[in-house]
Amino acid sequence: GESVGLHLPTLSVQEGDNSIINCAYSNSASDYFIWYKQESGKGPQFIIDIRSNMDKRQGQRVTVLLNKTVKHLSLQIAATQPGDSAVYFCAENLGAGGTSYGKLTFGQGTILTVHP
Amino acid sequence: SQTIHQWPATLVQPVGSPLSLECTVEGTSNPNLYWYRQAAGRGLQLLFYSVGIGQISSEVPQNLSASRPQDRQFILSSKKLLLSDSGFYLCAWSPDGTYGYTFGSGTRLTVV
Repeated sequence: GESVGLHLPTLSVQEGDNSIINCAYSNSASDYFIWYKQESGKGPQFIIDIRSNMDKRQGQRVTVLLNKTVKHLSLQIAATQPGDSAVYFCAENLGAGGTSYGKLTFGQGTILTVHP
Repeated sequence: SQTIHQWPATLVQPVGSPLSLECTVEGTSNPNLYWYRQAAGRGLQLLFYSVGIGQISSEVPQNLSASRPQDRQFILSSKKLLLSDSGFYLCAWSPDGTYGYTFGSGTRLTVV
């Protein structure tokens, strides 16, 4: 569920390293998952998404892995750059039906700092 | 293409004053609309969502209210601000709730 009251965990890496950001989601019925990147003072931006019928999806320098057995989501960033420094949030969508109305439930977020 | 506008970008208001934040979406019809709040260094808290004109659902009881007077307009209001209302307010939209959101640029509210 939403971790509104918690301070965010941090991950520090060197430029050029690969980064892995992990997220545990709460509802086994969720069928759609998203990673967002939020830079300081800005709204979250979409990075990559994955549906529950997949376990891996790749984008440009990013890969999302989904393990439904343990309700775990990860974001891998290859060759991390200083511009990747931001807060990263995972989110799960329970779907548009019923009373969910497509509400996203966000993970607590991870602060990624990339050192030159 | 669809765009979302949110204003103002920053706002400093005294305790007890009213609040009105506005969000509009262009290039789509009947979007799902959402208001989130983010405290400094914290995650995203869903405040309100709307699936149609005049339809507002509140997630967290508090000092705020929301309205949707037009299809693509979503307003967040308060009659009397509290210090605890300070935060970063984000509006978001989704075409039909089956995918993710597109967020606005946010409003930084400081209540003094």
